[in-house]
Amino acid sequence: QVYLQQSGPGQVKPAETLSLTCTVFGFSITNGYFWGWIRQPPGKRLEYIGSIHYSGTTHFNPSLKSRVALSVDKSENRFSLKLSSVAAADTAVYHCVQVRENGGYGPYFFDNWGQGTLVTVSS
Amino acid sequence: DIVLTQSPDSLGVSLGERATINCKSRQSLLFTNNKNYLAWYQHKPGQPPKLLIYWASTRASGVPDRFSGSGSGTDFTLTISSLQAEDVAVYYCQQYYSTPAISFGQGTRLDIK
Repeated sequence: QVYLQQSGPGQVKPAETLSLTCTVFGFSITNGYFWGWIRQPPGKRLEYIGSIHYSGTTHFNPSLKSRVALSVDKSENRFSLKLSSVAAADTAVYHCVQVRENGGYGPYFFDNWGQGTLVTVSS
Repeated sequence: DIVLTQSPDSLGVSLGERATINCKSRQSLLFTNNKNYLAWYQHKPGQPPKLLIYWASTRASGVPDRFSGSGSGTDFTLTISSLQAEDVAVYYCQQYYSTPAISFGQGTRLDIK
């Protein structure tokens, strides 16, 4: 049973960097999947942010790519998201996800999800 | 971007009855490999979303067989053959045809009538 546990602050100031971490239990992050992030602003649709393979290969939503950094910590079996220069529009519930990928060409669908973290951008 | 439109936005169905949720794409999700690049998810309050269906009609591991996906091209349907109380949730479709520019439907809220 794969379990994704999220951690990180629930509030970030405008223009600062949002940082979230997802620790994976019950599955090794080096075992064939990509790992990623999806968010849902209040009242809006789910939005794919990006995903990373433990080898370092990444894929991004083109609309967010310039502000997103992803990383993997194999020793701790976890991965992280950094979203820079945040604004009110980045207020959302952020989910980490286990990603079924297209042989490295991009995400297909999302096998398992973290509980979600509400991150509010506010001064 | 590929826009997915779900219908209805909300739905009330009696226990034991059939529930049907539709997802329409502005462009075909049928790839040259004859696969439809569409998935369905269930999101219950207080829980993470759960993958139900992928490739439009393949049930994910552990998903009860009362859930089924159908359709091809631009029109897709998620059917719950006999609604159970635990099926109350919001349901989303998602296309991955245009990966990494994937997109989700707006969601359909399913309640007990």
